[in-house]
Amino acid sequence: QQKVQQSPESLIVPEGGMASLNCTSSDRNVDYFWWYRQHSGKSPKMLMSIFSNGEKEEGRFTVHLNKASLHTSLHIRDSQPSDSALYLCAASRTGGYKVVFGSGTRLLVSP
Amino acid sequence: NAGVIQTPRHKVTGKGQEATLWCEPISGHSAVFWYRQTIVQGLEFLTYFRNQAPIDDSGMPKERFSAQMPNQSHSTLKIQSTQPQDSAVYLCASSSLGGLEQYFGPGTRLTVL
Repeated sequence: QQKVQQSPESLIVPEGGMASLNCTSSDRNVDYFWWYRQHSGKSPKMLMSIFSNGEKEEGRFTVHLNKASLHTSLHIRDSQPSDSALYLCAASRTGGYKVVFGSGTRLLVSP
Repeated sequence: NAGVIQTPRHKVTGKGQEATLWCEPISGHSAVFWYRQTIVQGLEFLTYFRNQAPIDDSGMPKERFSAQMPNQSHSTLKIQSTQPQDSAVYLCASSSLGGLEQYFGPGTRLTVL
C-alpha cells in the first residue's frame, strides 16, 4: 500500500528564518505531488503542486521534486507567524487514482 | 461558489447510536472523497467516489461505516453503532477529477460519548 512519509514531524523556526519540509512516496508510479496547509481548526487548503522534476517558486514558497527518488521538499523563506500550521504532503498517480496524504509536519514560527 | 458544504458542523452521539454526515461537493466536480482526522492518526482516507460510483473504500471500517452518493450533488457517510474511538473530524473533499487538487469542506466534528 502506498505510503507518504514526511519529516520532520515538527519544526520550530524563528520569524524571518527558513523552514524546510520533506516528503517521500513509496509508490514508484506516483506522478503528482501537492503540499497542503492546514491552520489550527481549519480544513486543509492546497498550497502548491508540482508534477515535473525541478523547482517551482511562488512568493516565499519553493517546492523541489526529484522523481527518481520520489522526494519532494517545501521551503519557506522569511517565515512568518502566520505560516504556523500543519503542512501535509500528498501524492497520486495519473488516471484518477486516490490521493494519499502524509501525516504532516507541524511548523511553528516563533516571533 | 460556496465551496464544499458539510453538515452538521458538530454532532454529539451516545455510544451505540447512529450518525449520518452530509457532504455537498463543489458543483461540477466529479470526484468526492471522505477522510477522518484525529491528532493521533492524522488524516486517514476512508472512501472515494467518481461520477457517483464508489471507486475505492479501502479505508472504511467494514462493519459499521457506509458511504453513498445517490446523486452528483451530495454524499453521505453513515456510522452505525458509534463508538468513542469514532470521535474525529470527518472531512469531505471534492475535485474536478480524481487525483487532482482537492477542495476540502469545513468538516464535521463527531463526538461519541
